[in-house]
Amino acid sequence: NAGVTQTPKFRILKIGQSMTLQCTQDMNHNYMYWYRQDPGMGLKLIYYSVGAGITDKGEVPNGYNVSRSTTEDFPLRLELAAPSQTSVYFCASSYSRGRGDEQFFGPGTRLTVL
Amino acid sequence: GNSVTQMEGPVTLSEEAFLTINCTYTATGYPSLFWYVQYPGEGLQLLLKATKADDKGSNKGFEATYRKETTSFHLEKGSVQVSDSAVYFCALRSSGQGGSEKLVFGKGTKLTVNP
Repeated sequence: NAGVTQTPKFRILKIGQSMTLQCTQDMNHNYMYWYRQDPGMGLKLIYYSVGAGITDKGEVPNGYNVSRSTTEDFPLRLELAAPSQTSVYFCASSYSRGRGDEQFFGPGTRLTVL
Repeated sequence: GNSVTQMEGPVTLSEEAFLTINCTYTATGYPSLFWYVQYPGEGLQLLLKATKADDKGSNKGFEATYRKETTSFHLEKGSVQVSDSAVYFCALRSSGQGGSEKLVFGKGTKLTVNP
């Protein structure tokens, strides 16, 4: 089991460029999440998905888009990169939305927008 | 809304010292409480959790007790090791249908243990 994998690990973008952060999980989890982690701050939820074809906004969705065509993959799209999107991005997954269910995290993508 | 407040870091200890990282929360209903750990260059991983009042979560020598009366979930370890150096996040997950997807995180506390 690879768990949750993310690519790339690092990326530098220029203002206005676009990119897709990839996330794949091999645990057959229904629920997947995208978080961003700013320096000295906790993680904030960007988008989440409760299953293939179903996505919903989290706390900080502006400037991002997601899709979920398969159970395994949950890519995050930045259309017009801005310096405020410089952050570390984490993808996570869980089996269900149960209160005690653990979320499994990927290793993160460090994005810098210049 | 729901929120988590944890002690500011960084925290620097010598090996075998006692560790406490304070965490308090604000939430409606009966949230579940978690401690996640992030080792350098890695993603977060679950350290321990508690799903109801007075539950004690424990793992790898770490413990935390869900105290509803003080809305706290303090992390403790009796004797830290250099390998415990990491960032520790307290988090909660609400019990309501409208928010149970979300983990709400504290800002994290960086722990450095020196030999």
